[in-house]
Amino acid sequence: AQTVTQSQPEMSVQEAETVTLSCTYDTSESDYYLFWYKQPPSRQMILVIRQEAYKQQNATENRFSVNFQKAAKSFSLKISDSQLGDAAMYFCAYRDLYDKVIFGPGTSLSVIP
Amino acid sequence: ETGVTQSPTHLIKTRGQQVTLRCSSQSGHNTVSWYQQALGQGPQFIFQYYREEENGRGNFPPRFSGLQFPNYSSELNVNALELDDSALYLCASSLKLAGVTDTQYFGPGTRLTVL
Repeated sequence: AQTVTQSQPEMSVQEAETVTLSCTYDTSESDYYLFWYKQPPSRQMILVIRQEAYKQQNATENRFSVNFQKAAKSFSLKISDSQLGDAAMYFCAYRDLYDKVIFGPGTSLSVIP
Repeated sequence: ETGVTQSPTHLIKTRGQQVTLRCSSQSGHNTVSWYQQALGQGPQFIFQYYREEENGRGNFPPRFSGLQFPNYSSELNVNALELDDSALYLCASSLKLAGVTDTQYFGPGTRLTVL
């Protein structure tokens, strides 16, 4: 069975600095999708970034980028120039080709002014 | 805002009762997935509906059931409520074409409390 692990329950970053959130997953599949979602206290789950496993190039969305290491089954999220609005729970998620999505336990990110 | 709406926002029920939660998918989306998120945890996949049929299910008992309507909106029904059913219930819609599903977009959730 697929699993998703986020080993950092809590992280903090100084405003304008860079922070990296870790995620590892376990699967025997070769094709799948990986996502990072952000959930602020308002609880709306917001897509941050998406990565297709068949793509070697790391996805980037403005200040957000990933380091996808398929062989190591690692999918970390880097947030550059952190802003106060980045404070939230961040969930790493794995989706197989049958659309089953497995979420990690989340990392709570605090941004210090 | 994703265009996915859920109702009601909050709900309080007692153990043994039945509850129906509703989700309207984003315009153009034909697939709806439901998740249960217990406090302090990541969401857990309940099931997905595509073309009005269940299209995948997580480790949830049969008392969790659903429907999808021709307009792609969906309902989640939970019978014989238990205290552990207290959680945030999220729905997510997406577009599936030629067997490939695009990204899921989530609604704001329904907070269910079972007393």
